Amino acid sequence: AQSVTQPDIHITVSEGASLELRCNYSYGATPYLFWYVQSPGQGLQLLLKYFSGDTLVQGIKGFEAEFKRSQSSFNLRKPSVHWSDAAEYFCAVGTGYGGATNKLIFGTGTLLAVQP
Amino acid sequence: NAGVTQTPKFRILKIGQSMTLQCTQDMNHNYMYWYRQDPGMGLKLIYYSVGAGITDKGEVPNGYNVSRSTTEDFPLRLELAAPSQTSVYFCASSTLAGENGYTFGSGTRLTVV
Repeated sequence: AQSVTQPDIHITVSEGASLELRCNYSYGATPYLFWYVQSPGQGLQLLLKYFSGDTLVQGIKGFEAEFKRSQSSFNLRKPSVHWSDAAEYFCAVGTGYGGATNKLIFGTGTLLAVQP
Repeated sequence: NAGVTQTPKFRILKIGQSMTLQCTQDMNHNYMYWYRQDPGMGLKLIYYSVGAGITDKGEVPNGYNVSRSTTEDFPLRLELAAPSQTSVYFCASSTLAGENGYTFGSGTRLTVV
């Protein structure tokens, strides 16, 4: 069965430091991969997505992610974290286009704290 | 654009009561979803719909019902509320191809006491 694992429940980084959030997936075919961010009391906002092609994808707010098929990973990175990046981050795998299979499976999330 | 609108934002129910969580989208999306979010558990799919008149169960459908009479609306009904249904509920929508992922509402925080 498809699954998504985010190994880090909670991460703390200093403002200005680099960030990498880990995501591993289990899926038999080429997945569609997403990263979402959730600020407190808010819904989820799409940061970036990977469907095919270039394995390094750019998103909003200066985030990027790299798809590594050999490692079944889709890690999220940012070179320099800002205090406003403090939020919860969710990785998700899409199990297909259209039809009844157009559903996302979410990881359990990584809560990011940013120290001044 | 309003996107996906959920009402109410907060609600407290007593055990055994019923309620409907409302969800409306104005993007003409075919697909709509209901998820629940519990701490440390991520999001679990309750029900989804691929178009008006068509709904199907997700991962955790027990205790819930849905209907989809129009493209815009996808209400979630809780019958005989139980403490286990205390959660944050999110409605989302997407296009047929899903190329832009999901658009989420801001959520409904439900407490059953």
